[in-house]
Amino acid sequence: DGGITQSPKYLFRKEGQNVTLSCEQNLNHDAMYWYRQDPGQGLRLIYYSQIVNDFQKGDIAEGYSVSREKKESFPLTVTSAQKNPTAFYLCASSPGTGIFFLYGYTFGSGTRLTVV
Amino acid sequence: AQSVTQPDIHITVSEGASLELRCNYSYGATPYLFWYVQSPGQGLQLLLKYFSGDTLVQGIKGFEAEFKRSQSSFNLRKPSVHWSDAAEYFCAVGAPNNAGNMLTFGGGTRLMVKP
Repeated sequence: DGGITQSPKYLFRKEGQNVTLSCEQNLNHDAMYWYRQDPGQGLRLIYYSQIVNDFQKGDIAEGYSVSREKKESFPLTVTSAQKNPTAFYLCASSPGTGIFFLYGYTFGSGTRLTVV
Repeated sequence: AQSVTQPDIHITVSEGASLELRCNYSYGATPYLFWYVQSPGQGLQLLLKYFSGDTLVQGIKGFEAEFKRSQSSFNLRKPSVHWSDAAEYFCAVGAPNNAGNMLTFGGGTRLMVKP
């Protein structure tokens, strides 16, 4: 079945470490997105990519980095520059411009990152 | 740019009671509208969507939503709530011909169901 896989489901990071969250989709979607979710704050956009080898900053990109070398994959690195990384991270994807609004976003099941 | 407001942060209803979750949007034309549901520790699942045509749309799990252009609203309803409906609900708006393919999400409404 097609979908988005996020791994790991739980991740623990020591202060000062970089960690990478994986997001893989087999839906043949062009666009992919990363959101951060904190209690009571809804979804905040970190980065998004409309096409391979291109990505754009969202509202809260500081302390994060991404790459889009393959259509299927959009990993997110939480760097040591992110001062408060403990949160729930969601990856999503959507098809191309012409049919995007027929489907909206498809979401992964999320990764919970905790700084220890 | 479009925006979405969900005025109610928390709502508590009794099991079997009816439910209405409010969503107001800001956009100059008719947007594309979505409702998503999120169970604790999970991703978001699409409940229903509106693009054009009949302003009352049916979704999964017995939910429906009505688009009211005059009120810039897209409220989610369910006639009889089940305990399993306890979750967080997000309204989202997308702009037609938006080259960025971006959805704007509301802040969410957390639904609690009393037995």
